[in-house]
Amino acid sequence: EAGVAQSPRYKIIEKRQSVAFWCNPISGHATLYWYQQILGQGPKLLIQFQNNGVVDDSQLPKDRFSAERLKGVDSTLKIQPAKLEDSAVYLCASSLAVHPWQFFGPGTRLTVL
Amino acid sequence: SQQGEEDPQALSIQEGENATMNCSYKTSINNLQWYRQNSGRGLVHLILIRSNEREKHSGRLRVTLDTSKKSSSLLITASRAADTASYFCATGPDTGRRALTFGSGTRLQVQP
Repeated sequence: EAGVAQSPRYKIIEKRQSVAFWCNPISGHATLYWYQQILGQGPKLLIQFQNNGVVDDSQLPKDRFSAERLKGVDSTLKIQPAKLEDSAVYLCASSLAVHPWQFFGPGTRLTVL
Repeated sequence: SQQGEEDPQALSIQEGENATMNCSYKTSINNLQWYRQNSGRGLVHLILIRSNEREKHSGRLRVTLDTSKKSSSLLITASRAADTASYFCATGPDTGRRALTFGSGTRLQVQP
């Protein structure tokens, strides 16, 4: 089966610019997650969707980050405006409702200059 | 915030040796999972152990869980150069929410 797809793989922007990331989960996976992974650290959950509803966005910096999952399939994560500390890898993951393990995409490496 | 810490932060061994990584966590859990991350890649699920289990095996992997000490260990036997990667433990909460909380990871280098 096809894995989790993410694009772009790399993005370089200047601070105060905006950026958007796209994720296509594994077909049939109802749950979708966005994680932020800062260099040398483990992934930190930003937002979790169940179908097209938000389950947990408690760690999402809502003043600058937003995410949506249209029709319960693809998802986009947006940062506007970006700060230097947003430099990280943004990982998308998906899972089946009946299984607790997750499948990760390759990530988008964001560099904010 | 990170759920816990992994120890050691970095480990370098020779091919054929065993590698042991430890993970500690802070809150009650439903399960604990281990993931591998190769450089520049996403995470790959390796093994899951539930809170009512004490030990689990999968191929060259052995995981133990001690809920009284809130700790787990991952043993990779007969390591190979291809095992070079970062290894993360992740805890699944005992509440309805399914999101995982990851540790800080152990960077394993297996020298050929």
